[in-house]
Amino acid sequence: GAGVSQTPSNKVTEKGKYVELRCDPISGHTALYWYRQSLGQGPEFLIYFQGTGAADDSGLPNDRFFAVRPEGSVSTLKIQRTERGDSAVYLCASSLSPNQPQHFGDGTRLSIL
Amino acid sequence: GQQLNQSPQSMFIQEGEDVSMNCTSSSIFNTWLWYKQDPGEGPVLLIALYKAGELTSNGRLTAQFGITRKDSFLNISASIPSDVGIYFCAGYVSGGSNYKLTFGKGTLLTVNP
Repeated sequence: GAGVSQTPSNKVTEKGKYVELRCDPISGHTALYWYRQSLGQGPEFLIYFQGTGAADDSGLPNDRFFAVRPEGSVSTLKIQRTERGDSAVYLCASSLSPNQPQHFGDGTRLSIL
Repeated sequence: GQQLNQSPQSMFIQEGEDVSMNCTSSSIFNTWLWYKQDPGEGPVLLIALYKAGELTSNGRLTAQFGITRKDSFLNISASIPSDVGIYFCAGYVSGGSNYKLTFGKGTLLTVNP
């Protein structure tokens, strides 16, 4: 497709489990971003990739969160030992370069029971 | 945390009316973006503003980058039912990174046919 693709669209899991969320950016976009959106709030920055490297991971809430982008295209956000407070919509965005507008996917709605 | 104050929090209008919403910040921004988000979907870029004083239109939408660089507004003229959704302002703080978007909390727009 032409846009940012995120899978799964919904994920329900139990507290303590491990989850992986996938993002497929727009073809040719070198910059990729992860945000988290809680109910009634705007998205909040988690991590930014330029190519394969994480240029800024200052938004990751703690060391249970990790993200990779091994080939500079698809990215995976990984959450270990999930907690109920991790429940949110996780949004991925990409842009042609860092100073270009970011285009968002439809997100993964994560629910931790 | 977020630095943008977006108002109003919600609006309920009649079809055909004009709408205005705005964002203010205590920090100077060097880029302002306006997004619209529908339920279950990711934010969709509406307008991007790059220079203080810039006034940009996209169909029935008009947005301006405030002269002080600490505010922006979005106007929608002759609203229609499909304008329903949550509108977010976002931007890059001047002097900071130009990839980490800061979002407002959104304005929920309801249009009564």
